[in-house]
Amino acid sequence: EAGVTQSPTHLIKTRGQQVTLRCSPISGHTSVYWYQQALGLGLQFLLWYDEGEERNRGNFPPRFSGRQFPNYSSELNVNALELEDSALYLCASSLRAGGPFTDTQYFGPGTRLTVL
Amino acid sequence: DAKTTQPTSMDCAEGRAANLPCNHSTISGNEYVYWYRQIHSQGPQYIIHGLKNNETNEMASLIITEDRKSSTLILPHATLRDTAVYYCIVRVGSGPGGYNKLIFGAGTRLAVHP
Repeated sequence: EAGVTQSPTHLIKTRGQQVTLRCSPISGHTSVYWYQQALGLGLQFLLWYDEGEERNRGNFPPRFSGRQFPNYSSELNVNALELEDSALYLCASSLRAGGPFTDTQYFGPGTRLTVL
Repeated sequence: DAKTTQPTSMDCAEGRAANLPCNHSTISGNEYVYWYRQIHSQGPQYIIHGLKNNETNEMASLIITEDRKSSTLILPHATLRDTAVYYCIVRVGSGPGGYNKLIFGAGTRLAVHP
């Protein structure tokens, strides 16, 4: 069974530019989560999508946004890039959401974004 | 959200058992304990999770104390490829007040040496 896939693997952008990152969940998984892992800051929750809707977002500015498509894949968009947006962006998926103690999240390999 | 406390780093000899402790003294009765690990520059990898009972799978064993305030992840025969940062996480569920996100702490950096 294929795992969570993300593209691209690496990306270099300059300040002020916009970027789109992509994620394909494990087949059958309806929930997609985005996390940012910046150097020295640990892993921070960004966004959670389930069944095409944004369910929750972390403490990030509105220039971080995304969407989930009918096939449950997802995009993360970051506008007006800043130097501190340089990080590993991780996508995770789980089988279903809703109700407490729900399913295990499985992570993709991440997209390494460098902002110059 | 229940917080977790882990040692910053640990060493283990190859072939020996690695026992990684985690304290979660404020855990609620219906919160699970999850373990993930992350090898440098890769995405976190799920290892195991549990609620009350001890759990075992092909990767590891999870021992949870009776009062659930702490747990230990056991890698029975550590290999060099087990060198990674190990995260103990108390799962915030999507019930009232929960948002189905994982909250990662600093983790334990496990170094397995020959």
